[in-house]
Amino acid sequence: SQKIEQNSEALNIQEGKTATLTCNYTNYSPAYLQWYRQDPGRGPVFLLLIRENEKEKRKERLKVTFDTTLKQSLFHITASQPADSATYLCAPGPELTDSWGKLQFGAGTQVVVTP
Amino acid sequence: EAQVTQNPRYLITVTGKKLTVTCSQNMNHEYMSWYRQDPGLGLRQIYYSMNVEVTDKGDVPEGYKVSRKEKRNFPLILESPSPNQTSLYFCASSPRQGSGELFFGEGSRLTVL
Repeated sequence: SQKIEQNSEALNIQEGKTATLTCNYTNYSPAYLQWYRQDPGRGPVFLLLIRENEKEKRKERLKVTFDTTLKQSLFHITASQPADSATYLCAPGPELTDSWGKLQFGAGTQVVVTP
Repeated sequence: EAQVTQNPRYLITVTGKKLTVTCSQNMNHEYMSWYRQDPGLGLRQIYYSMNVEVTDKGDVPEGYKVSRKEKRNFPLILESPSPNQTSLYFCASSPRQGSGELFFGEGSRLTVL
């Protein structure tokens, strides 16, 4: 069965440093992969989508890589700020042959940025 | 303002008492979906709808029903709630097939005693 793994341990990082989060998936080949941010008690908010033919994507201080051979995506927050403290969820999309409607999420990794 | 609205936001109920959690989006999105979120398990998909009158099961559909009679609304129905359905529920919508990006509601925290 399809499995999505994110580091369950919180990532504590000092302001200004780069936070790197990992998302590993097994037993399928998603056509794309998304990252979301979730604050406590709130709904997830979309950040970035990267497609299988893209190696890297950037948005402001965020960078995502997608290695379809390793079945892994890395999510980087550069020059981190306390306001970046949140839980980050990865969501590998369905395979091209699957129902587009099914979208699974990883359990998320909490990031804590201290001043 | 573009948004996905869920109601109620908080609900405490008892086992067996039917309830409906409503979800409405004002963005004319074709796709809508329901998730539940439990500690350590992350978001799990319950049902989704590709368009009006088109619904399908997600990973954890047991004990839930949905309907999509209008494009903007996608209610989640618990016919006979049980304590294991105590959870935080999220509704989400997306513009069209293949666009990927989901817009989430603020969540509905349900407790079944």
